[in-house]
Amino acid sequence: GAVVSQHPSWVICKSGTSVKIECRSLDFQATTMFWYRQFPKQSLMLMATSNEGSKATYEQGVEKDKFLINHASLTLSTLTVTSAHPEDSSFYICSARDGRTSGGEQFFGPGTRLTVL
Amino acid sequence: SQKIEQNSEALNIQEGKTATLTCNYTNYSPAYLQWYRQDPGRGPVFLLLIRENEKEKRKERLKVTFDTTLKQSLFHITASQPADSATYLCALDEGQAGTALIFGKGTTLSVSS
Repeated sequence: GAVVSQHPSWVICKSGTSVKIECRSLDFQATTMFWYRQFPKQSLMLMATSNEGSKATYEQGVEKDKFLINHASLTLSTLTVTSAHPEDSSFYICSARDGRTSGGEQFFGPGTRLTVL
Repeated sequence: SQKIEQNSEALNIQEGKTATLTCNYTNYSPAYLQWYRQDPGRGPVFLLLIRENEKEKRKERLKVTFDTTLKQSLFHITASQPADSATYLCALDEGQAGTALIFGKGTTLSVSS
């Protein structure tokens, strides 16, 4: 299957700072990418869907000004957590899918562990 | 309301036995149903996909069934091994291009030797 990478794999930051997480599809043109967060022993919670070259669609309850998503190319999407606070500490996972067809699998990145002190 | 439920949070079985995990859904009409494996601190990995018009799908020691009348999928791992210990997620796909899968909470399987 396709390979999706994330960077960094973990990050620790101080409260109030911003953190950028990169998601790359290495051998796949990801027309659609998704960002999830996951708390311990909880399910994946979809935060937003982004299509290359257009604005992201955020799920209800997700602050778009806090979680900035940019999908500038078919291989790169970034999530920036602005003015991070301890409650933003979580496991963030991106995934990519061929947005032109239905029924395909989603390819997931390895995740980024964010800890805000 | 819409729900996707996986029967139990945790399942413990002995090595060599068959593990059966259940996924039930309410108020969805999935065109496809997928199963993923997630290890601690890692992203999910795709295992199997089954279409709404398919009853059963197999891949090596894995078997998935899909009953759209019961609104249920069963996921079986035969001859289970300790290496099969992980969290297994079912995911619904309603068949609209470009939309995200809808995930259940997962069942954590522990296989003891």
